[in-house]
Amino acid sequence: AQRVTQPEKLLSVFKGAPVELKCNYSYSGSPELFWYVQYSRQRLQLLLRHISRESIKGFTADLNKGETSFHLKKPFAQEEDSAMYYCALKYYGNKLVFGAGTILRVKS
Amino acid sequence: NAGVTQTPKFRILKIGQSMTLQCTQDMNHNYMYWYRQDPGMGLKLIYYSVGAGITDKGEVPNGYNVSRSTTEDFPLRLELAAPSQTSVYFCASSYSSSKEQYFGPGTRLTVT
Repeated sequence: AQRVTQPEKLLSVFKGAPVELKCNYSYSGSPELFWYVQYSRQRLQLLLRHISRESIKGFTADLNKGETSFHLKKPFAQEEDSAMYYCALKYYGNKLVFGAGTILRVKS
Repeated sequence: NAGVTQTPKFRILKIGQSMTLQCTQDMNHNYMYWYRQDPGMGLKLIYYSVGAGITDKGEVPNGYNVSRSTTEDFPLRLELAAPSQTSVYFCASSYSSSKEQYFGPGTRLTVT
């Protein structure tokens, strides 16, 4: 069965430090991966998707099929990056399964 | 555009009661989804719809029913509430299966 694992419940870093939020997936088909973010008092929203291969707000994520990973990275964390981050996998065309999420806290 | 709206924001139910969670979108999206999020867990798909009159089960459909009589509305029905249905419920919509899903603010439901 398809599954997304985010091993860290909380990641705390100082402003300016690099950030890596880990995501591993399990899926027998061709994976399509996403990162969603939820800022305080805001709705869940799409941050980036692997097929776009773009950088959003300084974040990037590369799909590694060999390691079945889709880690989210940013070289220099900013305080406004503090939020809950969810990794998600699309399966069977249009269904999403989410990881449990990682809280990112950026300290000044 | 209001996007995806959900009502109510909060609700407490007694075991065995029934209720309908409302979801409306004004983006003319074909696809709509219902998810639940239990504490410390990721979102799980309950039901989804690819257009008016068409619904299908997701990962955790037991105990729920849905209907899609219009493009805009996708209500979720709980017939006999159970404590296991205590959760936060999110509705989402997308234009197509390949497009971004837009989420509502969520409904926090407690069954006691």
